[in-house]
Amino acid sequence: EVQLLESGGGLVQPGGSLRLSCVASGFTFSSNTMSWVRQAPGKGLEWVSTISGSGDSTYYADSVKGRFTISRDDSENTLFLQMNSLRVEDTAIYYCAKNPNRLLEPRDWFDPWGQGTLVTVSS
Amino acid sequence: DIQMTQSPSSLSASVGDRVTITCRASQSISSYLNWYQQKPGTAPNLLIYATTSLRSGVPSRFSGGGSGTDFTLTISSLQPEDFATYYCQQSYSTPITFGGGTKVEIK
Repeated sequence: EVQLLESGGGLVQPGGSLRLSCVASGFTFSSNTMSWVRQAPGKGLEWVSTISGSGDSTYYADSVKGRFTISRDDSENTLFLQMNSLRVEDTAIYYCAKNPNRLLEPRDWFDPWGQGTLVTVSS
Repeated sequence: DIQMTQSPSSLSASVGDRVTITCRASQSISSYLNWYQQKPGTAPNLLIYATTSLRSGVPSRFSGGGSGTDFTLTISSLQPEDFATYYCQQSYSTPITFGGGTKVEIK
C-alpha cells in the first residue's frame, strides 16, 4: 500500500523558514514524479511544486517561485519542500502527492495524497 | 495560466439523486482533466483521471465526460458517503490549476 507521511509544519513568523518532509513507502520512490499541493484554511486546492523522478526537473507556482525549493532524497524515499521568506498568505495545509509517471506529462494526476502538515505564518 | 471554473459552487441534493458538476477550462486542455473528492478534515482523493478513467476502487456511480474545454462529473445515484467537496484539476500544462470546488450537501 502506498503511504505518504508529511512532517515539519508549525508556527513561524513572517519572513521565517520551514522545511517540510514527506516520507514515502509502498512503491519505488525514485520512479515517480512527486508534488506539493496546499490548501489555505477554508479554501480550495493550490498546486505548489513538482519534481521529476530523476530530480532533474522542477516546477513551481508563481506564488512561491524564488522562495520555495523542492528536492528529493531517493535513498531515504523522502520529498522535501524548503520554504523561505514565508508570508502570511502561505498559511495552509501542505500535502505531498504522488504523480503516476517518472516525468511530468500532460496525462498526469495526484494519487495518493498524504494526510497533510499545517503551516501557520503569523506574528 | 489555464483557469478552471466549476459550477455550481454548491448544491443540495437527496440520496438517490443524479448529480452533475461542470468544469470549464479557459482554453482547450484536450482530455487532461482529473476529479477529486474531499471530505472535511481529510486529504483529497482521486476519483477520475484523464476525463473518463475511474480510479480503481471508486464506485461505478461516478463517471466523467467531456473534452476540450467543457467537462462533467456525474454521480448517478447519490449515496450518503458522497456528500463532500469535489474539485476538478487540469494537468495539460503548468501551472497546474484546480477548480474552485463544488460542495455537495444534503437536502
